[in-house]
Amino acid sequence: NAGVMQNPRHLVRRRGQEARLRCSPMKGHSHVYWYRQLPEEGLKFMVYLQKENIIDESGMPKERFSAEFPKEGPSILRIQQVVRGDSAAYFCASSLSNSGANVLTFGAGSRLTVL
Amino acid sequence: DAKTTQPPSMDCAEGRAANLPCNHSTISGNEYVYWYRQIHSQGPQYIIHGLKNNETNEMASLIITEDRKSSTLILPHATLRDTAVYYCIVRAETSGSRLTFGEGTQLTVNP
Repeated sequence: NAGVMQNPRHLVRRRGQEARLRCSPMKGHSHVYWYRQLPEEGLKFMVYLQKENIIDESGMPKERFSAEFPKEGPSILRIQQVVRGDSAAYFCASSLSNSGANVLTFGAGSRLTVL
Repeated sequence: DAKTTQPPSMDCAEGRAANLPCNHSTISGNEYVYWYRQIHSQGPQYIIHGLKNNETNEMASLIITEDRKSSTLILPHATLRDTAVYYCIVRAETSGSRLTFGEGTQLTVNP
C-alpha cells in the first residue's frame, strides 16, 4: 500500500511563475491536508480538503494560493506569481476520515525554490 | 486544540531509553494526544497516539497521566536514527480537526 505521494519532490521557479504541487493520498483516504514549512521554521497548516470540497482554508494566504481536490485525481496546491518568500517545503497529509482518532499520514514533501 | 509545552532539546545515549515529556494542562476530555517526529527535513512521521490509556506500539510507548494533563513518549532503546524533532500535539475529536505543530523537542541521540 503506497503512502502519500507528492510530486514534484523539487521544483524551481522564477519570480512571477506559477507552481503546481500534487498530492496523491493513501488508497481509501478522502481527506487531505496541506502544510508549509519555511526554512528553519515549524510546520504551518494551510488548508484541509475533502473530495471536491474545501473544508478549512484558514491557514492559506488570501492571495495567489489555491487548492483543490477533484473527484478524480490528486489534490493540487497552486501558487500563482511566486515570490522568493514562497520558497519552502510543502507537505501533504491524508487521513481516512475526519475523526480526531484517525492518523494523518504525511508525504515526503515538495521543495519549492523561487529564484 | 489545547496548547502543549515541551522542552526545546534533550540528549540521550544510544541504546538507552529516551523519555520525552509533554505538558498539556488544558486538554479536554475529547482531545487525543499525538506524537509525530520529523527527521531532518523529511515529512513528519506518525509515532503513536492515545486518549486516556497508555499505549504501546512497535516504535514507542505513550504514558498519559491519570489527570491527562501531561504525557511521556518513551523510545525504549534509542538509536542514532531516532535523532529528530519530536512533536506532542493535542487534537480534538471534532470533525476535520487538523494537527497544530508547535516547536517540539530536538532529541539528539549520542553514540
